[in-house]
Amino acid sequence: GAGVSQSPRYKVAKRGQDVALRCDPISGHVSLFWYQQALGQGPEFLTYFQNEAQLDKSGLPSDRFFAERPEGSVSTLKIQRTQQEDSAVYLCASSSPGGAQNSPLHFGNGTRLTVT
Amino acid sequence: AQSVAQPEDQVNVAEGNPLTVKCTYSVSGNPYLFWYVQYPNRGLQFLLKYITGDNLVKGSYGFEAEFNKSQTSFHLKKPSALVSDSALYFCAVRDTNAGKSTFGDGTTLTVKP
Repeated sequence: GAGVSQSPRYKVAKRGQDVALRCDPISGHVSLFWYQQALGQGPEFLTYFQNEAQLDKSGLPSDRFFAERPEGSVSTLKIQRTQQEDSAVYLCASSSPGGAQNSPLHFGNGTRLTVT
Repeated sequence: AQSVAQPEDQVNVAEGNPLTVKCTYSVSGNPYLFWYVQYPNRGLQFLLKYITGDNLVKGSYGFEAEFNKSQTSFHLKKPSALVSDSALYFCAVRDTNAGKSTFGDGTTLTVKP
């Protein structure tokens, strides 16, 4: 497809389990972002890649959160030892075929994580 | 640091009337400003952006936004609302020196027939 693809669409995890969320960006997009969206709130920045380099991870809430993009395309957001407060929609976005900072973000449909 | 404020949680308008969804921002440098729309169970979709130049920018579905530097505002507007415009709208800002965009908490627009 032409858009950003995220999988799984829904994930239910028991507290303490590890989860991995996948993002396939638009082909050729240099920049990739992960956001967390809690119910009734705007997306909160987690981390940002330019190609395979993770340039900003200031939004990751704890060391249980880890993201990678080893070949500069697909990215995985991993959450270890999930807690109930991790329940949210995790959005992936890509942008900038040429790396331009003024390019808009193209979002996937998100992964809704529920920790029970 | 950069931030966005959307002062209204909800905006209600009648179909055919003009609509305005408000946004103010704060950045340390020059801003790139964006509006996105989110439909239920979907990701955010880009509507329009301000980079430089004309203060009035036009985007998808008949929406436009006015950049006001002195008031640090970027309000979304449409001359005649449609029921299908009902959705959640987010304003976002990116400092020209930053990689990330910062989003407001969103405004739910309801257009009644």
